[in-house]
Amino acid sequence: QVTLKESGPALVKPTQTLTLTCTFSGFSLSTWGMRVSWIRQPPTKALEWLARIDWNDDKFYSTSLKTRLTISKDTSKNQVVLTMTNMDPVDTATYYCARSPMTKNAMDVWGQGTTVAVSS
Amino acid sequence: QSVLTQPPSVSGAPGQRVTISCTGSNSNIGAGYDVHWYQQLPGTAPKLLIYANTNRPSGVPDRFSGSKSGTSASLAITGLQAEDEADYYCQSYDNSLSASVFGGGTKLTVL
Repeated sequence: QVTLKESGPALVKPTQTLTLTCTFSGFSLSTWGMRVSWIRQPPTKALEWLARIDWNDDKFYSTSLKTRLTISKDTSKNQVVLTMTNMDPVDTATYYCARSPMTKNAMDVWGQGTTVAVSS
Repeated sequence: QSVLTQPPSVSGAPGQRVTISCTGSNSNIGAGYDVHWYQQLPGTAPKLLIYANTNRPSGVPDRFSGSKSGTSASLAITGLQAEDEADYYCQSYDNSLSASVFGGGTKLTVL
């Protein structure tokens, strides 16, 4: 059974750096074609893709957020970490991680999401 | 403003058929990139509904179907049920942004 779970702070202050961890089970990020993406959703708004890391350590970022994002993986711990610098109240959202295997090219299993508020 | 355009809302009575459109451009859907559809029930995480334009993951009822033509794609739901009331999102890849992109979402109301 494939599962993913996001963890991180519920509240951060403006200008701080957010660090989120996606811990998964049921698959390995060292398997050919496996990928993990981060997506966020502000309250009552649409989904926004943020970043992706592939089995071969290739990394891809949203053009508009590229300068603020860093994605990395720890294959031995089955974890993917996303950091976002210089947080702003507009970054308040639910953050999801999702598996996206090349065989489907879609995000086929999602975590439950973690809600992050940015406020002083 | 989303790169992929969806109607904000659609509605239908139980048993009816509804369609949700997803309009893109020549840098995403029109360039041949796959379109995927997700269902988000209230207060829950999105769930994959259709992948690679027309394919249903295991467990998704055949009442849900996808199609793609030119720079657009559509999700059709037949035999509407109350449990289908949710937000629906399309997703593809855009080569001018070098990024995955989502539509703005469509809220389905079952009357």
